[in-house]
Amino acid sequence: QQPVQSPQAVILREGEDAVINCSSSKALYSVHWYRQKHGEAPVFLMILLKGGEQKGHDKISASFNEKKQQSSLYLTASQLSYSGTYFCGTPTTDNNAGNMLTFGGGTRLMVKP
Amino acid sequence: ETGVTQSPTHLIKTRGQQVTLRCSSQSGHNTVSWYQQALGQGPQFIFQYYREEENGRGNFPPRFSGLQFPNYSSELNVNALELDDSALYLCASSLAGGGTEAFFGQGTRLTVV
Repeated sequence: QQPVQSPQAVILREGEDAVINCSSSKALYSVHWYRQKHGEAPVFLMILLKGGEQKGHDKISASFNEKKQQSSLYLTASQLSYSGTYFCGTPTTDNNAGNMLTFGGGTRLMVKP
Repeated sequence: ETGVTQSPTHLIKTRGQQVTLRCSSQSGHNTVSWYQQALGQGPQFIFQYYREEENGRGNFPPRFSGLQFPNYSSELNVNALELDDSALYLCASSLAGGGTEAFFGQGTRLTVV
């Protein structure tokens, strides 16, 4: 099943914070986050592999709650370059073998000056 | 830039025709996955190749087929094209195993008329 992302879209002013959520109806072994700008390929942001794991990259971080079968992506002090569509991906296989991913529908983020 | 290259970048085909899309994986990566991305949606997993064999498949009909070559490059073939096959086709290369990041190419935009 496809993970569910929320919100579907968000508009921010530069410097504001945002949270993007990703929920799954099945047990999760990992969550992958990507950002895609219009007309470009999805770009890898981070993978979370363990329940409770949190990772960060610059001012973008993420958490993974295995028990709740969900992950959240946190964008702090957003920059114009953060604009794009964010996708979470979860393994298609139950045992996390390989990295064949089922992606959510995406969250469109627009950062305005 | 990820080092994953796809060709061609754009293609227009007529319904019923056949098409072949190509992907060169990033150096050192032995696994290639193919995704279909319709406008405004997340990528949908088609199949994955590892060591020249299909390693996993999504919910796509048999007219979607693929190949992987000894140098790990890959092809996606679609027979009997339908209008609904119009989409961006993305390939992603990675190392084998769960929990590894996948790097996407820029995609091939296929239009079926």
